[in-house]
Amino acid sequence: QVQLHESGPGLVKPSETLSLTCTVSGGSISSDMYYWGWIRQPPGKGPEWIVSIPSSGTTYYNPSLRHRVTVSLDTSKNQFSLKLTSLTAADTAVYYCARQEGNVVVVYAPFDFWGPGTLVTVSS
Amino acid sequence: IVLTQSPGTLSLSPGESATLSCRAGQTVTNNYLAWYQQKPGQAPRLIIYGASHRATGIPGRFSGSGSGTAFTLTISRLEPEDFAVYFCHQYGSSPPWTFGQGTKLEIK
Repeated sequence: QVQLHESGPGLVKPSETLSLTCTVSGGSISSDMYYWGWIRQPPGKGPEWIVSIPSSGTTYYNPSLRHRVTVSLDTSKNQFSLKLTSLTAADTAVYYCARQEGNVVVVYAPFDFWGPGTLVTVSS
Repeated sequence: IVLTQSPGTLSLSPGESATLSCRAGQTVTNNYLAWYQQKPGQAPRLIIYGASHRATGIPGRFSGSGSGTAFTLTISRLEPEDFAVYFCHQYGSSPPWTFGQGTKLEIK
């Protein structure tokens, strides 16, 4: 069974860049059957989807965050990463990585496996 | 697509049945609507996908229904472990994919 786990700093200063990594085990991120996504959840609120990247095909971004987001895959380490720039207090949230089923053309399933999440606090 | 869940909080006793609603601001393509259960300090757990299909390992007391813009999650014969927050999520063909704000199911 696939497992995902997020890693990164718990505290980041305003205006800085957040870098998070998701390590995947029990499955290959090179598979063309899946997209690998990032979702965040501010305290007490519903989740917000950020971005989904496949091993080949189109990367999908949330338009509200696209100008601040960079996502990449490292197939040699079976990891994928998120960078979010120009942080403010509004970016404080638990950040999750997760998997979706799809093909090179389209996503056709919800997020089925999630990491445990990592709390990121933006504060000086 | 904005998803609006109701009620915000639902207070019931074990053994009762729960009905949770999720309304979409636009038609959800292919009824690509999922439900998640989330307990404190845990990641969301997939319960229902495609509006009415139970995910692997989910008990039969969980059922989903609806189409277009109106969807329902029903939990019959509530067990103590069912009390949690439930989110709906649409993953239709055109991103951005969105989540509802959640319904908290609490023990009465």
